[in-house]
Amino acid sequence: GQNIDQPTEMTATEGAIVQINCTYQTSGFNGLFWYQQHAGEAPTFLSYNVLDGLEEKGRFSSFLSRSKGYSYLLLKELQMKDSASYLCAVRDWGQAGTALIFGKGTTLSVSS
Amino acid sequence: DGGITQSPKYLFRKEGQNVTLSCEQNLNHDAMYWYRQDPGQGLRLIYYSQIVNDFQKGDIAEGYSVSREKKESFPLTVTSAQKNPTAFYLCASRLLGGGDNQPQHFGDGTRLSIL
Repeated sequence: GQNIDQPTEMTATEGAIVQINCTYQTSGFNGLFWYQQHAGEAPTFLSYNVLDGLEEKGRFSSFLSRSKGYSYLLLKELQMKDSASYLCAVRDWGQAGTALIFGKGTTLSVSS
Repeated sequence: DGGITQSPKYLFRKEGQNVTLSCEQNLNHDAMYWYRQDPGQGLRLIYYSQIVNDFQKGDIAEGYSVSREKKESFPLTVTSAQKNPTAFYLCASRLLGGGDNQPQHFGDGTRLSIL
């Protein structure tokens, strides 16, 4: 079957670094996406990984290990505006069309 | 600016009533999707379409219907058969053929509640 796990909630302080983990089980892995979603708003694309390793994009980085079925999103120099839900999503060859399988999301609260 | 427009932002449904959620995109994307989001749940796929006049059921299609008469439009009808329609509905689109790294782009969502 298909399964994606993320922690439900995390807290951190401004200026800190936080790592949000995601583990997945799929039969035909074809890429992993991270999205940010502020409450009541649309998810916005953060990063894409399909090969093992680290992808860096400004304050955000995403890592993938396909052999371990594991990814993480690393947020540096945290700001209050980073308080949001972070969604891990996987594309599976066996999944309907090009749709994504989403985890339940990790709600990050950043305090001053 | 290019983007995905969902309307209305808030919608209320009476018992036994069908309601239609609008989704329009001017990104020239081929594929369009409808997801449902409930508190504490991930996004779940309702329907998707990769080409005009063709669409496929997702994981939770029961009680919903769609059409894809134009590339730009993918409306979702929540029928009276959907007994628990209260949720946040998100429409997304994606460019096919542009590489596997092409992400889905989302609209701002429609929040549906029962009166």
